[in-house]
Amino acid sequence: EILMTQSPATLSVSPGERATLSCRASQSVRSNLAWYQQKPGQPPRLLIYGASTRATGIPARFSGSGSGTEFTLTISSLQSEDFAVYCCHQYNNWPGTFGQGTKVEIK
Amino acid sequence: QVQVQESGPGLVKPSETLSLTCTVSGGPISNFYWSWFRQPAGKRLEWIGRVYTGGSTDYNPSLKSRVTMSVDTSKNQFFLSLTSVTAADTAMFYCARDSIEALDVFDIWGPGTMVTVSS
Repeated sequence: EILMTQSPATLSVSPGERATLSCRASQSVRSNLAWYQQKPGQPPRLLIYGASTRATGIPARFSGSGSGTEFTLTISSLQSEDFAVYCCHQYNNWPGTFGQGTKVEIK
Repeated sequence: QVQVQESGPGLVKPSETLSLTCTVSGGPISNFYWSWFRQPAGKRLEWIGRVYTGGSTDYNPSLKSRVTMSVDTSKNQFFLSLTSVTAADTAMFYCARDSIEALDVFDIWGPGTMVTVSS
């Protein structure tokens, strides 16, 4: 099973600033990497798949990059609704596995 | 707009069987993979497995010996059964559908149902 490790655990950012989140896979997952946003009491929301493709309806301030074992989610200018937990998900190998999440909090 | 909703008992006794239903509305259940996930409080999501509307299934090897999934297309529902539960199975359970845009990523999620294993 592929282990997904995210860093940092918590990221303190001011509204309007850029946030950069990292995700590392224990072995190559090619570009089969998705990012989800999760708010308290809510299910995950798909943001990015294929490492860099925004899902339908996701604002352009969200972008993803990387391949193989190293991936990045960037939020270019944080809005109030973006403060949440973000987790990565590899779906290259069965079963797909998730990172432990990065919490983006207001600085 | 397709929606999914989990239902089932919120409390299950140790050693018993956890049974959940996911009801699909607003769109077809056929020709999609439907998945179950769980998330213990403060922990990462875990993909339990998936069922295709043709009946085929794929289970997480870590749970395979205890999991059964099925689907009833006439009722627009699919199901999860997890046997011999322990306190370690206490979690929020979600059902979800594969995105039309890409297989094995999920853009339709239920709100989740909390299941506690306790006597």
